[in-house]
Amino acid sequence: AQSVTQLDSHVSVSEGTPVLLRCNYSSSYSPSLFWYVQHPNKGLQLLLKYTSAATLVKGINGFEAEFKKSETSFHLTKPSAHMSDAAEYFCVVSENFNKFYFGSGTKLNVK
Amino acid sequence: EAQVTQNPRYLITVTGKKLTVTCSQNMNHEYMSWYRQDPGLGLRQIYYSMNVEVTDKGDVPEGYKVSRKEKRNFPLILESPSPNQTSLYFCASSFGRAGAEAFFGQGTRLTVV
Repeated sequence: AQSVTQLDSHVSVSEGTPVLLRCNYSSSYSPSLFWYVQHPNKGLQLLLKYTSAATLVKGINGFEAEFKKSETSFHLTKPSAHMSDAAEYFCVVSENFNKFYFGSGTKLNVK
Repeated sequence: EAQVTQNPRYLITVTGKKLTVTCSQNMNHEYMSWYRQDPGLGLRQIYYSMNVEVTDKGDVPEGYKVSRKEKRNFPLILESPSPNQTSLYFCASSFGRAGAEAFFGQGTRLTVV
């Protein structure tokens, strides 16, 4: 069975400092992994995805994530936070094409 | 422009009054699904469809119905809404293959009083 754990429900950083949003997953097979962002009153936008190619994945707006199979982690990072990054972020796992498993979300506050 | 369109965006209704939330995609995706989003729970899948006339239950299907008569449309039907169905609903679509990302609609905020 699959599950996704986002280790922090809220993260607060100062503008210009690094961002780290943590995600651990469990999966029986080789998963596809995604990060989505949701700005207030908006839909979900894909930030980046991992599908068994390079383990370091670059996404939009300067975000990147590293797939670590040994740690079953897919943490999202950004070197320097911007005020516009304030949003809720979801880590998502998919083993097959018919279901996406969502973490409970991490709200990022940028001061 | 590639998009998933949901309507309405906001809806307030009364308990027991049947309603339909429409979802349409213009990307020729085989796979479509509905999710509900509740605080602290992330998104949970209600129903999904792998193609026309093929639908199946997700994790929280009780109180909902769907149909897939055309590839582009996947309406969500609440035959007798109850207050515990007050939530934010998202429709999503994707190509039916491993690794394909999901594209989401803008969401429908439903309040049942």
